[in-house]
Amino acid sequence: ELKVEQNPLFLSMQEGKNYTIYCNYSTTSDRLYWYRQDPGKSLESLFVLLSNGAVKQEGRLMASLDTKARLSTLHITAAVHDLSATYFCAVAQGAQKLVFGQGTRLTINP
Amino acid sequence: KAGVTQTPRYLIKTRGQQVTLSCSPISGHRSVSWYQQTPGQGLQFLFEYFSETQRNKGNFPGRFSGRQFSNSRSEMNVSTLELGDSALYLCASSWGRTGPIYEQYFGPGTRLTVT
Repeated sequence: ELKVEQNPLFLSMQEGKNYTIYCNYSTTSDRLYWYRQDPGKSLESLFVLLSNGAVKQEGRLMASLDTKARLSTLHITAAVHDLSATYFCAVAQGAQKLVFGQGTRLTINP
Repeated sequence: KAGVTQTPRYLIKTRGQQVTLSCSPISGHRSVSWYQQTPGQGLQFLFEYFSETQRNKGNFPGRFSGRQFSNSRSEMNVSTLELGDSALYLCASSWGRTGPIYEQYFGPGTRLTVT
């Protein structure tokens, strides 16, 4: 059974700092997703990573994938308050089924 | 291009009742997946439909069912509601005729409260 674990689950950081969210998964997969969710809202797609060594960047967020280690990271650079949200990683199991991590609740303080 | 739409957005039901939720995927998308989100269990996969056929099913009791119509719109039904069914129900659409097949786009969700 595929398991996806994120850490940390809660992260409080100051604006301007850097930090990394980790996503480990237990069995091989060909796709890994990162989503953002604001309170009471739906999931917003951030990145889809397809291959070992894949790196994608959008603004202050950068995601990478190491399929051999079954590890993905979401790195936040020089955090700003607008990035406060819950971040989920999800791993594809089969065609369209996603198995989600627990989510990391990120709070960025001025 | 219109996004994924879900109706209703909010719903309050009583234990023992049944409920039907609707999802209209992005035009051209043929796959619709459903997820349940609760504070305790997180995001869990319910089922996925492609071209009116259920291709995959999660570990939920038989009270949870779904279907997909020829226009790719999907409905999910929950019978004999329990308090634990209170959740945000999200649908995701994917597998269009153009664009990457792996992209999944989520709708705004239906917030179901069971009292």
